Amino acid sequence: EAQVTQNPRYLITVTGKKLTVTCSQNMNHEYMSWYRQDPGLGLRQIYYSMNVEVTDKGDVPEGYKVSRKEKRNFPLILESPSPNQTSLYFCASSSWVGGYTFGSGTRLTVV
Amino acid sequence: QKEVEQNSGPLSVPEGAIASLNCTYSDRGSQSFFWYRQYSGKSPELIMFIYSNGDKEDGRFTAQLNKASQYVSLLIRDSQPSDSATYLCAVKRGGGSNYKLTFGKGTLLTVNP
Repeated sequence: EAQVTQNPRYLITVTGKKLTVTCSQNMNHEYMSWYRQDPGLGLRQIYYSMNVEVTDKGDVPEGYKVSRKEKRNFPLILESPSPNQTSLYFCASSSWVGGYTFGSGTRLTVV
Repeated sequence: QKEVEQNSGPLSVPEGAIASLNCTYSDRGSQSFFWYRQYSGKSPELIMFIYSNGDKEDGRFTAQLNKASQYVSLLIRDSQPSDSATYLCAVKRGGGSNYKLTFGKGTLLTVNP
């Protein structure tokens, strides 16, 4: 089954404790992206990747890091999480011509 | 000016009616247009995409695009309670910016039995 897999689905952590949210796709898509979704603000792009070793900032990159060492994986790293990063996070992937296929989401709470 | 604008709703229609969802965008270089459905607490699900001016039909859904007016819409015929969700309009510029899918904030649709 074609899918984007994110883990974990839910995560509660404390301020300053580094965390990684994993994302993997099995569709051989070139593009991968991370979005966060907040009430009243909609979906906002954090980082994107056009291919292996090619990444760039989206609209809200502060406090986040990414890497794309393999085509299928695109982890999101929060080096020092803060409460304002509490949000619902989505990983997504896309081919050249299509729309994004989204993962199931990770609900992150930073206390 | 916001890049992609949608009426936040809620839009309430009776079961069996036509629901009309609208979206405007500001970037005239936009080339691809997508409609996603998102149930509460779930991930967005692609339901339609359109690239050319005019109408595109898929089952009960029809997407309409007017690039001159920078307007895209989604019609849902014979609306069902299961169609109750937030509908997100998304726009892609294409070319070198093909990675960037910009979303509107969504319109909440409620279909009343």
